[in-house]
Amino acid sequence: DTEVTQTPKHLVMGMTNKKSLKCEQHMGHRAMYWYKQKAKKPPELMFVYSYEKLSINESVPSRFSPECPNSSLLNLHLHALQPEDSALYLCASSPHDRDRNTEAFFGQGTRLTVV
Amino acid sequence: AQKVTQAQTEISVVEKEDVTLDCVYETRDTTYYLFWYKQPPSGELVFLIRRNSFDEQNEISGRYSWNFQKSTSSFNFTITASQVVDSAVYFCALSEWGNQAGTALIFGKGTTLSVSS
Repeated sequence: DTEVTQTPKHLVMGMTNKKSLKCEQHMGHRAMYWYKQKAKKPPELMFVYSYEKLSINESVPSRFSPECPNSSLLNLHLHALQPEDSALYLCASSPHDRDRNTEAFFGQGTRLTVV
Repeated sequence: AQKVTQAQTEISVVEKEDVTLDCVYETRDTTYYLFWYKQPPSGELVFLIRRNSFDEQNEISGRYSWNFQKSTSSFNFTITASQVVDSAVYFCALSEWGNQAGTALIFGKGTTLSVSS
């Protein structure tokens, strides 16, 4: 199983809503990532979890709150978002082993629209 | 500072033509990793190839080949005999050994490849 599964695939939310994006992998990877991708732009790193601990936060606003309940799951909790937060949110995972460089596996993303 | 530059914004070719996508990178690390990913309209980033900084051997994998030159900090990617299904956005990406965790990637701006029949 070399799959990263993201749900939902599409999400429309109001600026006062609270919603969560979910990501799941069963490859035994110990590093998981959230990226944000605006239209016609490259993905930008938001958060990195290493062994279920937050290791990198790329100065992301607090209205985005990540959570890693276990080694297979990664959530992104959304609250009080702005229309400019509309984007494709990509989850990825990779082995956390510096002696064995490897690629990151990406999910299909959640297309988020904030109205 | 780390940076990936893809100077080609869009490329259009006709089926069966060969096409080369350019990538130039900047890093202060002596150990780093370079990647090419493909992003079709569906949105998923699909891994294509990976190269380590300490291995400059260039290889061919099916219709894909790459040319890694540390002297010019370039990591170019070639598709031979392009097909319509190759139409997508192609991203070059860099990961540094000094990263705190795993394979956090710095992406170039991407090159949109359109292959017509």
